Amino acid sequence: AQTVTQSQPEMSVQEAETVTLSCTYDTSESDYYLFWYKQPPSRQMILVIRQEAYKQQNATENRFSVNFQKAAKSFSLKISDSQLGDAAMYFCAYRSAGDKIIFGKGTRLHILP
Amino acid sequence: EPEVTQTPSHQVTQMGQEVILRCVPISNHLYFYWYRQILGQKVEFLVSFYNNEISEKSEIFDDQFSVERPDGSNFTLKIRSTKLEDSAMYFCASGIGTGGVGYGYTFGSGTRLTVV
Repeated sequence: AQTVTQSQPEMSVQEAETVTLSCTYDTSESDYYLFWYKQPPSRQMILVIRQEAYKQQNATENRFSVNFQKAAKSFSLKISDSQLGDAAMYFCAYRSAGDKIIFGKGTRLHILP
Repeated sequence: EPEVTQTPSHQVTQMGQEVILRCVPISNHLYFYWYRQILGQKVEFLVSFYNNEISEKSEIFDDQFSVERPDGSNFTLKIRSTKLEDSAMYFCASGIGTGGVGYGYTFGSGTRLTVV
């Protein structure tokens, strides 16, 4: 069965600095998709960035980028120029060609002013 | 931007009572999902629904749970006899289909269910 592991329950970063959130996953599939979701205090789930496993190029969305290492099954999220509004719970997630998305346990990110 | 709408945002119910959580998915989406998140824990898959039937369900989704798409726009989750441990945030999500699987889903803003 596929699993998603986030080894950092909490992290803090100074405003305007860069932070990297770690994620590893386990799968025997070759074709799959990886996501980072943000959950602010409102508890809504917001898609931040996605990566197709067949693409070697790392996905980028403005200040958010990923470091996707397929062989190592690693999918880290880098947030550049951190802003107060980035404070949230961040979930790494995996989906194969099947239906469900599998989430990691999350990393709570604090932004220090 | 299209949204998945969930109502109510917060529901309090007595243990043993039936509760129905409602969702309006995005109109051109074909796949519908329920997830739950117990406070402080990870988001867990409950059930997926396609073509008017359940396509996959987790072991959490036992006989106390059911889903329905009664009128082509709403998607509901019913818990027949609520237990204290059903207290959680329940998220509805919808997806465009397997062709769009790389796009993940769109989640609603959730219903906080409190069982007392």
